[in-house]
Amino acid sequence: GQQVMQIPQYQHVQEGEDFTTYCNSSTTLSNIQWYKQRPGGHPVFLIQLVKSGEVKKQKRLTFQFGEAKKNSSLHITATQTTDVGTYFCAGRGGADGLTFGKGTHLIIQP
Amino acid sequence: NAGVMQNPRHLVRRRGQEARLRCSPMKGHSHVYWYRQLPEEGLKFMVYLQKENIIDESGMPKERFSAEFPKEGPSILRIQQVVRGDSAAYFCASSLQGLYTDTQYFGPGTRLTVL
Repeated sequence: GQQVMQIPQYQHVQEGEDFTTYCNSSTTLSNIQWYKQRPGGHPVFLIQLVKSGEVKKQKRLTFQFGEAKKNSSLHITATQTTDVGTYFCAGRGGADGLTFGKGTHLIIQP
Repeated sequence: NAGVMQNPRHLVRRRGQEARLRCSPMKGHSHVYWYRQLPEEGLKFMVYLQKENIIDESGMPKERFSAEFPKEGPSILRIQQVVRGDSAAYFCASSLQGLYTDTQYFGPGTRLTVL
């Protein structure tokens, strides 16, 4: 079945540094979604990418969908303490349902 | 506009008991998804339902677990004869459209602890 891998599992950064998490699928995806989950909270939808090579920005967050539609990345510029949480990608390919990666835990040191 | 509601938020059961988790989707949403999350793990898809229909239950354990989404009332995830390994956070999500491509809005989750 479809597998979605996310790296790194944990990322420690100093406040103000940049952060990137990568998502790789074993199969070609029709779309990919990104979610953020704060500690003790529930996942909150951030964005969906559909087109090959698509790039979308939300303030300090930049999302990319690979040309082959098998990988994606989320980049945060100049992290702030409010960025703390776990970032999940979730991809759908073919007849499979939405498959979530295990997430990247972002820890920010002030 | 109320978001996705789940109750109870915390549920404690002894081994062998039954657990019933409820999910009320956002107003106007007829697609409901259930996920399980173990500590420090990602979300594992369990089941996708529309009103009165199970669309995809490929992530549901074959035994002890069942889900329904009746015409009236919330969606129910039922776990019979719970075991310690069932301890996890169970999240429900709803979407306006289905086919997995639409945005899923998550509820606050039910944290199940099996003693």
